[in-house]
Amino acid sequence: RKEVEQDPGPFNVPEGATVAFNCTYSNSASQSFFWYRQDCRKEPKLLMSVYSSGNEDGRFTAQLNRASQYISLLIRDSKLSDSATYLCAVNKGGNFNKFYFGSGTKLNVKP
Amino acid sequence: GAVVSQHPSWVICKSGTSVKIECRSLDFQATTMFWYRQFPKQSLMLMATSNEGSKATYEQGVEKDKFLINHASLTLSTLTVTSAHPEDSSFYICSAGRPSGRVGTQYFGPGTRLLVL
Repeated sequence: RKEVEQDPGPFNVPEGATVAFNCTYSNSASQSFFWYRQDCRKEPKLLMSVYSSGNEDGRFTAQLNRASQYISLLIRDSKLSDSATYLCAVNKGGNFNKFYFGSGTKLNVKP
Repeated sequence: GAVVSQHPSWVICKSGTSVKIECRSLDFQATTMFWYRQFPKQSLMLMATSNEGSKATYEQGVEKDKFLINHASLTLSTLTVTSAHPEDSSFYICSAGRPSGRVGTQYFGPGTRLLVL
């Protein structure tokens, strides 16, 4: 079983739509959770960390459900510039703080 | 924010040659760096953890004799793809964690695209 799983999409939405992505992780001992954005042929960029109580950054809201072992990302009022691949990342802590990434969910925001 | 650089950004080489990729943390010291590989339309796959002053630890299935990692200083890790073959063509990305950042936060280099002919 993969460490982290995501729906690859693509999600095709119109501008202004609200879209949500989920990501599940297999190791219940995972400690830190993140959402990254990756544009085509570029490196991932940190979008936001995911805190246990949920957190919001402008149009983006991230939530963590430890009981069900998933994290989510909600994007409100989608912009054309939000088109990208969104990767969830899980850190299991311990030695070296290794990261495991989901395969990414592709979002296409259309005019 | 933290800056991590990689060099070169593009490499095209013949099969059988070795390619060295450098990863530098420009404004902080990184005792640990990570090397990933990403094939088209696939996820980032962690290859190895590079530890300053000691041997790298490799993920299962990654050949340590083929992917040589050296982390000689707190700001530089190198990945050498030895005797590269076409199947090694991929996007190689390094990352480093900023010591003062939230535990687990990683900053990525811009990546190196390797094409082996």
